[in-house]
Amino acid sequence: GQSLEQPSEVTAVEGAIVQINCTYQTSGFYGLSWYQQHDGGAPTFLSYNALDGLEETGRFSSFLSRSDSYGYLLLQELQMKDSASYFCASTGGFKTIFGAGTRLFVKA
Amino acid sequence: DSGVTQTPKHLITATGQRVTLRCSPRSGDLSVYWYQQSLDQGLQFLIQYYNGEERAKGNILERFSAQQFPDLHSELNLSSLELGDSALYFCASSAGLDSYEQYFGPGTRLTVT
Repeated sequence: GQSLEQPSEVTAVEGAIVQINCTYQTSGFYGLSWYQQHDGGAPTFLSYNALDGLEETGRFSSFLSRSDSYGYLLLQELQMKDSASYFCASTGGFKTIFGAGTRLFVKA
Repeated sequence: DSGVTQTPKHLITATGQRVTLRCSPRSGDLSVYWYQQSLDQGLQFLIQYYNGEERAKGNILERFSAQQFPDLHSELNLSSLELGDSALYFCASSAGLDSYEQYFGPGTRLTVT
């Protein structure tokens, strides 16, 4: 089957760094995307990795290791507004499979 | 604002009924995707259209159908509604066939009573 595994919850302190992991088991894997969703809102695209390595976009970075079927999203200098759910998503051809999401709680 | 619009924002209907959800993609985007998100659940991919043609199907029930029109807007039809169909339905769009960067609309919250 096709699945992506993420931790259900992560808690971190404002100003800290947090890493949200994602392991995947999908056929026809093209790459790994990350989305952020605030409560009551729509998912918004954060980052995409097609190749192994680190992609940096401001305070957010995303990493992919195809050999380990593993990726992570790194959030630096955490702010209260970063409290949200984060989803990894596998793109295989045209079909997109989302993980169940990780709820990030940022504490003051 | 992602540029993707969805109507209606909220919909309350009874079991057994049929509803139509509408989506307009971002200007220039040719792909439209439909997702279902139940309470505290992830996003379940339903179906993708590209330039009017169905390109990929996920776990879409036979009671559900969709289409994309020549002006690229899309409609998701849900029929013989059941209580379990209550969810947020999101539409997303992307520029081309590649689905790695999708822009989501605000969603339609469907409540079946």
